[in-house]
Amino acid sequence: QSALTQPASVSGSPGQSITISCTGTSSDVGGYNYVSWYQQHPGKAPKLMIYEVSNRPSGVPDRFSGSKSGNTASLTISGLQAEDEADYYCSSYTSSSTLMFGGGTKLTVL
Amino acid sequence: EVQLVESGGGLVQPGGSLRLSCAASGFTFSSYWMSWVRQAPGKGLEWVANIKQDGSEKYYVDSVKGRFTISRDNAKNSLYLQMNSLRAEDTAVYYCAREWELNFQHWGQGTLVTVSS
Repeated sequence: QSALTQPASVSGSPGQSITISCTGTSSDVGGYNYVSWYQQHPGKAPKLMIYEVSNRPSGVPDRFSGSKSGNTASLTISGLQAEDEADYYCSSYTSSSTLMFGGGTKLTVL
Repeated sequence: EVQLVESGGGLVQPGGSLRLSCAASGFTFSSYWMSWVRQAPGKGLEWVANIKQDGSEKYYVDSVKGRFTISRDNAKNSLYLQMNSLRAEDTAVYYCAREWELNFQHWGQGTLVTVSS
């Protein structure tokens, strides 16, 4: 049960776009469309941003989008804003009927 | 409004036990799978366990199997995590989360468990 692989950090300037990858295997990310993404600000609980690969819950800006190709899922944030600076985690269902998170990515807005 | 409020955290010695609770309100608790997710200080999120609506199915991360037990009381709108044989590496903030379609739709604010002598 190794964590899904995410880059430790990404950065971008306000208005730019960034993409965070989440790499797993055919037993998790590649095998199911149950990939979700979470935003966590320091000292706060995580917040669901994307579910089932590419769906946004109500209230999440359309600047946030998700996709998947093979064993890698991606979160793209366009039109970066200062408040997007946070930690981001992907999660996937697995063939063992468990759930798994990525190691997390720290997004810095320059 | 969905509310999840965890309690029961604290300082415990290695080898000790602790029972966490999560009080749910604002939704029909018995209709949802529920999970526990933890986060060690300065580290990432780790899914710990989940339980089906009626308690008939439970799943655990390998590192807690045989030591932790997830349970629920739908009459009391409450989720529990019994933690035995605690280790230093179990030190974390433990979050209660409501699942929906295999994602964590709502989260509590967490309760801190510290395992130390």
